[in-house]
Amino acid sequence: GAVVSQHPSWVICKSGTSVKIECRSLDFQATTMFWYRQFPKQSLMLMATSNEGSKATYEQGVEKDKFLINHASLTLSTLTVTSAHPEDSSFYICSAQGLAAYEQYFGPGTRLTVT
Amino acid sequence: SQKIEQNSEALNIQEGKTATLTCNYTNYSPAYLQWYRQDPGRGPVFLLLIRENEKEKRKERLKVTFDTTLKQSLFHITASQPADSATYLCAGNQGGKLIFGQGTELSVKP
Repeated sequence: GAVVSQHPSWVICKSGTSVKIECRSLDFQATTMFWYRQFPKQSLMLMATSNEGSKATYEQGVEKDKFLINHASLTLSTLTVTSAHPEDSSFYICSAQGLAAYEQYFGPGTRLTVT
Repeated sequence: SQKIEQNSEALNIQEGKTATLTCNYTNYSPAYLQWYRQDPGRGPVFLLLIRENEKEKRKERLKVTFDTTLKQSLFHITASQPADSATYLCAGNQGGKLIFGQGTELSVKP
């Protein structure tokens, strides 16, 4: 149980285009999902907290107009990177919160490369 | 600012030995710490959680400690195997969020 999927697993896009990444909780409902990004050999950095039916809460320094988050259902959150640039190339990972606040189940990640 | 710090240097050990990884926290007191395993190109996989009022927790070959005086958690893998080679992440709670350390890469040689 407690499986989280992400789609796509990797994507290459041209500079200036937008990319949407999906995060799904497959066998449980998640009111809260989190989006992280990770650069090589670095830690996971929380970008935003996504709550179903409400606006996402962004961490300091994360541009909310660039990283659009939508959490329209209890099993799906999406992250759209708008007008992507090469510096947005990174590994994006989502997690879904379980019944207890300390439970986070992570997706397999999405590798984004912007050329 | 609140920080979780791990030894960024890779840890190389021989198969069968015990691997010990360190996690230190500064400028706050997490109610619990979690340890995750991350393989290259994959998301983290949960291993263990330890609460601040627990001194030690075990799961199979894994053992984790929580020392609130030293502000430190130690993560041990006994009888290590090459399959244990991965990056291990420590995370502390901050409200409903997690703060991650940078991870320690473990390599177990046969």
